[in-house]
Amino acid sequence: EVQLVESGGGLVQPGGSLRLSCAASGFTFSGYSMNWVRQAPEKGLEWVSYISSSSSTIYYADSVKGRFTISRDNAKNSLYLQMNSLRAEDTAVYYCAKGGWGVATGPLDYWGQGTLVTVSS
Amino acid sequence: EIVLTQSPGTLSLSPGDRATLSCRASQSVSSSYLAWYQQEPGQAPRLLIYGASSRATGIPDRFSGSGSGTDFTLTISRLEPEDFAVYYCQQYGSLWTFGQGTKVEIK
Repeated sequence: EVQLVESGGGLVQPGGSLRLSCAASGFTFSGYSMNWVRQAPEKGLEWVSYISSSSSTIYYADSVKGRFTISRDNAKNSLYLQMNSLRAEDTAVYYCAKGGWGVATGPLDYWGQGTLVTVSS
Repeated sequence: EIVLTQSPGTLSLSPGDRATLSCRASQSVSSSYLAWYQQEPGQAPRLLIYGASSRATGIPDRFSGSGSGTDFTLTISRLEPEDFAVYYCQQYGSLWTFGQGTKVEIK
């Protein structure tokens, strides 16, 4: 059974930093691309970042480019999102989601339950 | 960036009704890289349809997707109580973007 478990969310002041983690199990993590998607309170879904299976290809939404860094450790079956210079508008539930094989673009077929990030003073 | 516009914003229907949800893209979605997701309150999204018309694993056949180019449709043939939720379309041919969602509520 595929499982994705996010952690690391919490309350942080504007301008602060936070590192999210996603522990994966139940599939060959090293073979698949991964994504972060967020959802602000009572709002829709917003794609945040993508990383290919070998970390060779990385993309970011314009809203987080230069502030967020995605990474992965295939030996630990883990995905990360380093978030710096946080703003109030970054407040959201952050989901990790499994993508396509390798560098392939693809639908997000499995999602974690999310971790809440609140940016407020 | 490809912008996806979903309509209607809210659909008020009864169990057993047929639901038709629309998703229109600002430019052609390459290779029909269009997916649909269902999100129940407090839950993570669940993949329903990918490639515009292929059902994901375990999805009942009352859910169907169609369309190509810039116009796509999700149809739920007969609404079950558990189908009342928010539905999002997503394109994954040019990075990833989501529509704003359609809420299917009980009339």
